[in-house]
Amino acid sequence: DTAVSQTPKYLVTQMGNDKSIKCEQNLGHDTMYWYKQDSKKFLKIMFSYNNKELIINETVPNRFSPKSPDKAHLNLHINSLELGDSAVYFCASSQAGGSETQYFGPGTRLLVL
Amino acid sequence: SQQGEEDPQALSIQEGENATMNCSYKTSINNLQWYRQNSGRGLVHLILIRSNEREKHSGRLRVTLDTSKKSSSLLITASRAADTASYFCATGDTGRRALTFGSGTRLQVQP
Repeated sequence: DTAVSQTPKYLVTQMGNDKSIKCEQNLGHDTMYWYKQDSKKFLKIMFSYNNKELIINETVPNRFSPKSPDKAHLNLHINSLELGDSAVYFCASSQAGGSETQYFGPGTRLLVL
Repeated sequence: SQQGEEDPQALSIQEGENATMNCSYKTSINNLQWYRQNSGRGLVHLILIRSNEREKHSGRLRVTLDTSKKSSSLLITASRAADTASYFCATGDTGRRALTFGSGTRLQVQP
């Protein structure tokens, strides 16, 4: 009965590969997010979807492409992985966007070799 | 750009002591929230204070907000080893469609 779940938890891959991370929330929320947390713990928003519509698309390389098949799922596909993509990626959801309280998944630890 | 700046970056105290961490921000806000992140885990929401509130309590947590100084503080009273974590402030900015997170304070509570 996990509220926000992500798979996989760990991802180790070679430079140049393409990988996907999946996120699901069972809270009935309308808005979902992807964040990147770097080695200094700084949390940066990447994307936000509201009811399957892209709301926020921060300055992120276009190698990163989010996809929301329905409002309970938000996946992140990364093409041509680079060393600098190594980080922890968090999915989150909230009832609405803006200033609402967010609920985070456990994170996906990506290591690009 | 990063909105919240937290101070101190790291804090080490003994169990039973109080821990205070501060957050400064730059723009107008609807609310300010505090989150905790245990090592290797996702962020967990602790408390939300609205822009028209000055102080809020939840259990051992006390949050203050000074909108004139654009700053907030989080006080954890009678700390426990289990409080060891990173603490982040996040602002809900007027006109922005997502929270903006600070850089975090790493709290270590020694048993």
